[in-house]
Amino acid sequence: QVQLVESGGGVVQPGKSLRLSCAASGFTFRSYDMHWVRQAPGKGLEWVGIISFDGSNRYYADSVKGRFTISRDNSENTVSLLMNRLRGEDTAVYYCAKNVASPYKFYMDVWGKGTTVTVSS
Amino acid sequence: SYVLTQLASVSVAPGQTARIVCGGRNIGSKGVHWYQQKPRQAPVLVVFEDTDRPSGIPVRFSGSNSGDTATLTISRVEAGDEADYYCQVWDSNTLVFGGGTHLTVL
Repeated sequence: QVQLVESGGGVVQPGKSLRLSCAASGFTFRSYDMHWVRQAPGKGLEWVGIISFDGSNRYYADSVKGRFTISRDNSENTVSLLMNRLRGEDTAVYYCAKNVASPYKFYMDVWGKGTTVTVSS
Repeated sequence: SYVLTQLASVSVAPGQTARIVCGGRNIGSKGVHWYQQKPRQAPVLVVFEDTDRPSGIPVRFSGSNSGDTATLTISRVEAGDEADYYCQVWDSNTLVFGGGTHLTVL
């Protein structure tokens, strides 16, 4: 079945870096754009960014632009989120999510269970 | 930047109809998508492109979108529908979520 499994979360000090990964299975990964979405404790969903199916295009939320980078490896069916210069407000559950198949449509039909990032000294 | 506005909470008795509203400037010109999130779970898509339901989502869930308001309607509400609901659009290369509405089933 279609599945996304995030990993790499943990506790990290402010100013440090962390890389999250998301392993995809059950679908033709190389054909789909992929998102990262986060949710701070007790708060709503916040979109982090998207990478196109071939990695040629990436867009980010203003809150992470210049600090976070999304990449993908279509040979390994993985998408990653490199987070630099982490701040307390980056503390959240981070979800990876699959974009739908329709061209020029942007919403998610499959989500992972999430991985927790805590930024604290 | 584009803003989506949702009421923080809505309450409804079992068997009644819940309407969860999402406001945005000329949102009727955009495709609106809705997610349900239960505690400690990942979100689930319940309505896409204003009115369509993914397979497996009950027909009790429906959507509409016109003018400055999109609405998720849940008919014959059940206890298991208690959750947070988020609307979402795509605007100017940015994906935007509403702040979420918590549905309480009385």
